[in-house]
Amino acid sequence: EAGVTQSPTHLIKTRGQQATLRCSPISGHTSVYWYQQALGLGLQFLLWYDEGEERNRGNFPPRFSGRQFPNYSSELNVNALELEDSALYLCASSLPRGAIGYTFGSGTRLTVV
Amino acid sequence: EDQVTQSPEALRLQEGESSSLNCSYTVSGLRGLFWYRQDPGKGPEFLFTLYSAGEEKEKERLKATLTKKESFLHITAPKPEDSATYLCAVQEYSGYALNFGKGTSLLVTP
Repeated sequence: EAGVTQSPTHLIKTRGQQATLRCSPISGHTSVYWYQQALGLGLQFLLWYDEGEERNRGNFPPRFSGRQFPNYSSELNVNALELEDSALYLCASSLPRGAIGYTFGSGTRLTVV
Repeated sequence: EDQVTQSPEALRLQEGESSSLNCSYTVSGLRGLFWYRQDPGKGPEFLFTLYSAGEEKEKERLKATLTKKESFLHITAPKPEDSATYLCAVQEYSGYALNFGKGTSLLVTP
């Protein structure tokens, strides 16, 4: 069974540009979660999508946005990139209301220069 | 104030030297407490979920326990391949996002 897949693996952008990150969940999983892992800060919750709807978002500015497609894949968009947006962006998927835990992908390393 | 605090931040053990990692938490209603293992440059790998105080779960050399205020991850006779960052996270009844601690970086030397 394929795990959670994220693309691209690495992404280098210039400050002020936009970045788009993609995530394909495990087959049968309808919930997708996005987390940011910046150096020294641990995993910070960004967004949760379930059944195509945004269900919750963390304490991040509106320039972090995303969507979930009918096939449950998801993309994260970061507009007006800032240097401090450099981080590992992790996507996780679960069955609805993931009380049994998430399965994470390997992440997209975003570097803003 | 952090909801989830892990200690120590870093731990170095000799192969075979058992120890425990701590995760203390403050939430209004705990749906579940999760332990993950993360290797450098990779996503976290699920280890355990604990739901209620007194619960214990084991997997190979790892054993997780839960009280009303903290969880411990006991590592018995560790091997170098156990070297990784161990993450603790809580899920509250009010939502489904996981709130992570900053992790404990474990190094096991031969």
